[in-house]
Amino acid sequence: QVQLQESGPGLVKPSGTLSLTCAVSGGSITSTNWWTWVRQPPGKGLEWIGEIYHSGGTDYSPSLKSRVTISLDKSKNQFSLKLSSVTAADTAVYFCVGDSGHPPESWFDPWGQGILVTVSS
Amino acid sequence: DIQMTQSPSSLSASVGDRLTITCRASQSISTYLNWYQQRPGKAPKVLIYDASRLQSGVPSRFSGSGSATDFTLTISSLQPEDFATYYCQQSYTTPRTFGGGTKVEIK
Repeated sequence: QVQLQESGPGLVKPSGTLSLTCAVSGGSITSTNWWTWVRQPPGKGLEWIGEIYHSGGTDYSPSLKSRVTISLDKSKNQFSLKLSSVTAADTAVYFCVGDSGHPPESWFDPWGQGILVTVSS
Repeated sequence: DIQMTQSPSSLSASVGDRLTITCRASQSISTYLNWYQQRPGKAPKVLIYDASRLQSGVPSRFSGSGSATDFTLTISSLQPEDFATYYCQQSYTTPRTFGGGTKVEIK
C-alpha cells in the first residue's frame, strides 16, 4: 500500500520560498498517474495547489500559478513543491496526495499526514 | 473555475440520526464528484467517488447520489466516529475545486 510523507521546513520567512518534499513508499512513483499538492489554512477549507503527471507534465491553480513549481524525482521516488514570494496568507497545512482512478473519474487517495508551514519573520 | 457550494456549513446532530449534506456545482460536472471526511488534525479520507461509488472499507451507512450540478451525501445512522468535517470535490476539470466543508457536531 502506497504511503506518503511530507518533509521540509516548518517556518519560512515572508518573501522567501516554501520548499516541501513528498516521499512515496510502498510503491513506485510511476504507478500513479498524477501526484497532487493540497493545502489547508488553519481552521479553513481545502485548496488544490496543483498536480504533476508521472511523465512530468504539470497543472497549477490559476491563483498560485505564477509562484508554484511542482517537480518529480523518479530516482528518489519523491515529488516536490516550491512556492515563492510567500506571505502570511500561505500559512497552512500542506498535504501531498496521490490521484486514484483515471481523470476525470479520479479521487484523492492516498494522503500524506500533512505538514504545517508557518510564514513569519 | 467550477465553484462548489456545500450546505449547510455546519450542523448539530445526534447518534442514530439520518444526515444529508448537499453540494452544488456552478456548472455540470456529470458524476465526477467525490466526498471526503476529515477528522480534527487528520488528513481527509475519501468516502465516495464518482458521486455514488463507495470507497473500499467505508461503512455502508455512507451513500452518495446526484449528477450534473446537484449532489448529496447521506449518512443513514450517525455514529460517534462520524462527527467530522465533510468536503465535496469535483474532478471534472482543473483546477480541482473543493466545497467549503460541512462540520458535523454532536447535539
